[in-house]
Amino acid sequence: GESVGLHLPTLSVQEGDNSIINCAYSNSASDYFIWYKQESGKGPQFIIDIRSNMDKRQGQRVTVLLNKTVKHLSLQIAATQPGDSAVYFCAENIGLSNNNDMRFGAGTRLTVKP
Amino acid sequence: DAGVTQSPTHLIKTRGQQVTLRCSPISGHKSVSWYQQVLGQGPQFIFQYYEKEERGRGNFPDRFSARQFPNYSSELNVNALLLGDSALYLCASRWDRFSSYEQYFGPGTRLTVT
Repeated sequence: GESVGLHLPTLSVQEGDNSIINCAYSNSASDYFIWYKQESGKGPQFIIDIRSNMDKRQGQRVTVLLNKTVKHLSLQIAATQPGDSAVYFCAENIGLSNNNDMRFGAGTRLTVKP
Repeated sequence: DAGVTQSPTHLIKTRGQQVTLRCSPISGHKSVSWYQQVLGQGPQFIFQYYEKEERGRGNFPDRFSARQFPNYSSELNVNALLLGDSALYLCASRWDRFSSYEQYFGPGTRLTVT
């Protein structure tokens, strides 16, 4: 079945470097995407979202890129800090016709080395 | 402002028992969704409630049920617990039932079934 997935399960970066976390989706009906950060023992924390009518959105130190042609989503974190170490999930909403289900990928664990 | 709150934090139950989990959304949010997160996986959608009515349901058995109260708080009930129900149960709230606004998660209830 169609699902949200991730290219890499783990990512290790040096403090101060930029991080890029990727996500592939296969449902062309998806109209809204969210990136979440989940630290150990906590619920997912909203980072940034993007609608399907956009291809880029920027937040504080984070940028989300959406390529609908290849059904690819990425999260870029600038100047990665130790506090960015967590599991990152992308999630898609495939719209009202599918009961507002937010479907999550398996996650990517980001480790920031000092 | 208080975020999404959930109770209890942790819970240990025996197979066959029943459990009730509680969630209070962010003030002003009318939609509550429930997710199950098995260790090492992304959250899976169980229910969405809006204005006290079920607006969406994921692929979970009838042992799972929920309700939403006039103050928009919600309860998730699971009957006849199985070992496989052991997971982190997350509640998320948003302003309305649509994908127009970001969804915020609570810290979760860790359920262990022995």
